[in-house]
Amino acid sequence: DQQVKQNSPSLSVQEGRISILNCDYTNSMFDYFLWYKKYPAEGPTFLISISSIKDKNEDGRFTVFLNKSAKHLSLHIVPSQPGDSAVYFCAATTGSNYKLTFGKGTLLTVNP
Amino acid sequence: SQTIHQWPATLVQPVGSPLSLECTVEGTSNPNLYWYRQAAGRGLQLLFYSVGIGQISSEVPQNLSASRPQDRQFILSSKKLLLSDSGFYLCASGTALNEQFFGPGTRLTVL
Repeated sequence: DQQVKQNSPSLSVQEGRISILNCDYTNSMFDYFLWYKKYPAEGPTFLISISSIKDKNEDGRFTVFLNKSAKHLSLHIVPSQPGDSAVYFCAATTGSNYKLTFGKGTLLTVNP
Repeated sequence: SQTIHQWPATLVQPVGSPLSLECTVEGTSNPNLYWYRQAAGRGLQLLFYSVGIGQISSEVPQNLSASRPQDRQFILSSKKLLLSDSGFYLCASGTALNEQFFGPGTRLTVL
């Protein structure tokens, strides 16, 4: 049972435009959500997170939106840059849990 | 900030051979430690996690085992590798409940 789903395996956007990466979850106990960015042959790096008490969190070009009723979150990158090309993983956890549940990732390609 | 070391970076092993991957953490004490595997075209699968020395929890039944002999050392092992053990192995450390920091990973190919 896949509790965190990233239904788009890949996304291609033009430099300067907005990238929107989507993530859905099924476990209503999840209350904290994270996005990680991963380059080939490297470990993932933490990007941005959001608590379930919020519906938006912004950090520079990156904004995460959370829609709890729809069990959906999204990561917006604007403006997109070629260096943003990577695999983006959505992850979720509960406040009392040491574990993160990851989606399968979305490969973002930003074309110059 | 934390630094996670993993070695080797790449490894090619024959089927049936043993495995030992090591992970060490700097910059923190008493971290929660994790082993993940990313198989080709798939997401990150949690294999083991540890909340302290000698404490190991296994997430999925498999051909692998883990040990934590020291506070900041986490080892992934196998007695006999299978073809299906191929993948990209990641060690992670987390002191907060929600954020984890990942090492550079080990690319294991079993032939």
